[in-house]
Amino acid sequence: EIVLTQSPATLSLSPGERVTLSCRASQSVISSLAWFQQKPGQAPRLLIYETSNRATGIPARFSGSGSGADFTLTISSLEPEDFAVYYCQQRSTWPPTFGQGTKLEI
Amino acid sequence: EVQLVESGGGLVQPGGSLRLSCAASGFTFSSYAMNWVRQAPGKGLEWVSVVTSDGSSFYADSVKGRFTVSRDNSKNTLFLEMNSLGAEDTAVYYCAKDGGAWPKYHFDYWGQGILVTVSS
Repeated sequence: EIVLTQSPATLSLSPGERVTLSCRASQSVISSLAWFQQKPGQAPRLLIYETSNRATGIPARFSGSGSGADFTLTISSLEPEDFAVYYCQQRSTWPPTFGQGTKLEI
Repeated sequence: EVQLVESGGGLVQPGGSLRLSCAASGFTFSSYAMNWVRQAPGKGLEWVSVVTSDGSSFYADSVKGRFTVSRDNSKNTLFLEMNSLGAEDTAVYYCAKDGGAWPKYHFDYWGQGILVTVSS
């Protein structure tokens, strides 16, 4: 199965800052990569699908890029509600797999 | 508005069984594949199983032969029958809507999750 490695594990930032999260796959996933946000006690929420498409209702400050095996999620200016755990997920090869997550903290 | 509401979780002894349900509303349930994804305490996400719109099913190796996913399209409900449970199955279980009738593993909507604890 494809292993997704996210880095860094934890990021300490402040509101207003720009942040880039990384997701690296053990083999190419083409463009079939998604990003999810999860806040404590809540379900994951789809942010980005197919590398760069924002899901319904997701603010424009969230953007995704990459291809092959290297992908990034960028938040252009952090809002207080963005502090959460972010997961990447590939659906290129069965079984679908998730990264271990990156925690954004203040 | 898409809503997914899981139920049926709780404490079960090792080797025991449990049946989870997920009640769906706000979309044409019968037209979409549905997934189960779990999250062990303090851990990441793990895909568990999927059932297509017409009832075909697929499983992660970690649960194959022990879990059975099914659906009742007349009641807009998804099920997960879990047998031979072990401590490694302790997790919050989420149902997640897929992006099409056949699995795309595009998890666009999730339920709030239900906790399953396997312990003596």
